[in-house]
Amino acid sequence: GQNIDQPTEMTATEGAIVQINCTYQTSGFNGLFWYQQHAGEAPTFLSYNVLDGLEEKGRFSSFLSRSKGYSYLLLKELQMKDSASYLCAVMDSNYQLIWGAGTKLIIKP
Amino acid sequence: EAQVTQNPRYLITVTGKKLTVTCSQNMNHEYMSWYRQDPGLGLRQIYYSMNVEVTDKGDVPEGYKVSRKEKRNFPLILESPSPNQTSLYFCASSLMEGGNEQFFGPGTRLTVL
Repeated sequence: GQNIDQPTEMTATEGAIVQINCTYQTSGFNGLFWYQQHAGEAPTFLSYNVLDGLEEKGRFSSFLSRSKGYSYLLLKELQMKDSASYLCAVMDSNYQLIWGAGTKLIIKP
Repeated sequence: EAQVTQNPRYLITVTGKKLTVTCSQNMNHEYMSWYRQDPGLGLRQIYYSMNVEVTDKGDVPEGYKVSRKEKRNFPLILESPSPNQTSLYFCASSLMEGGNEQFFGPGTRLTVL
């Protein structure tokens, strides 16, 4: 079966760095997405990786290793507004998105 | 402004009373999808559509219907709602090519009593 695993919850301190991991087992691979979702709101797109390596976008970076079925989202200089859930999703061979359950990130002052 | 709209945003109804949640996008996207989101379960796909008159079941289609008569609209129909369909529903759209992000509507919080 297809499976996406990410930690349920993480806590970090304002100004620090946090890494949210995602491992996947899917039928084929056509890219991995990270989305941010604030409580009660719609998910919003953060990043897309299809090749191995690190993609940097301001305070957020996303890494992919296809051979290991592994990705992480790195958030630097954490701000209180970064408190949200972070969703990992993989596009399979049929171009369907398989979603992880999300990681709730709590930022403490 | 490029967006996906859903209506209603909030709905409380009773078991068995047919309802429709509308979804519309103004980005000329071919692909549209409906998800439900429940605590601890993440997003689960109900139905999706790759173009007009083309719809397919997702992971949890039971109890739902959809139609795609026009490119911009993708309504979700619950013919006979039941309490286990109480959930937060999201409509999303994207271009068909792989790697394109999905744009989400604001969500519809449905309670079935």
